[in-house]
Amino acid sequence: AQSVTQLDSQVPVFEEAPVELRCNYSSSVSVYLFWYVQYPNQGLQLLLKYLSGSTLVKGINGFEAEFNKSQTSFHLRKPSVHISDTAEYFCAVTPNSGGSNYKLTFGKGTLLTVNP
Amino acid sequence: GAVVSQHPSWVICKSGTSVKIECRSLDFQATTMFWYRQFPKQSLMLMATSNEGSKATYEQGVEKDKFLINHASLTLSTLTVTSAHPEDSSFYICSAPRMGWAYNEQFFGPGTRLTVL
Repeated sequence: AQSVTQLDSQVPVFEEAPVELRCNYSSSVSVYLFWYVQYPNQGLQLLLKYLSGSTLVKGINGFEAEFNKSQTSFHLRKPSVHISDTAEYFCAVTPNSGGSNYKLTFGKGTLLTVNP
Repeated sequence: GAVVSQHPSWVICKSGTSVKIECRSLDFQATTMFWYRQFPKQSLMLMATSNEGSKATYEQGVEKDKFLINHASLTLSTLTVTSAHPEDSSFYICSAPRMGWAYNEQFFGPGTRLTVL
């Protein structure tokens, strides 16, 4: 089984400041890792994913994340945030073994609030 | 990218009535779809896996007789909340994985807000 811990339930920042949203996971098998963004009353949109290869992955809207296997972390970063980045962010994992690579396990989410 | 739609986007119903929510993959076929439930300010909780042509697989603690799932075709799954009660009020989201060579990326619907009075 997998579990995902998002260490911060809320992160307030000022516009144009850098931000890091933290995510740690636990799994007995290798996993794929994801970050999703959810705007109010909407579904989830994929920001970025780590499947294999380079541990630094770049996503949409200027976000990037780094996979650290030894620390079992996948923190999300953006060097300069905008008001429009205000949303809920979810970290998720799924086993990377064959047919079981469907079910996603989500963290509890981090509400990023960007203030002017 | 792939598109998954849900209908309706929001519904208000009286306690004791049944509500059907549709999830469609618009530009790809999905033999599997997932139904999630999300309470305010909480994460998504997987309710069940919808399988085309066979019975749905429910997660532990989810009442299969209350949340009826039908995967009628390769592009449509429906979730029926039977005899809805106020505690069933929630945001319901579906997702569908699209076949890829390395990973079957999941695409999420926009969600359905259910309010039971």
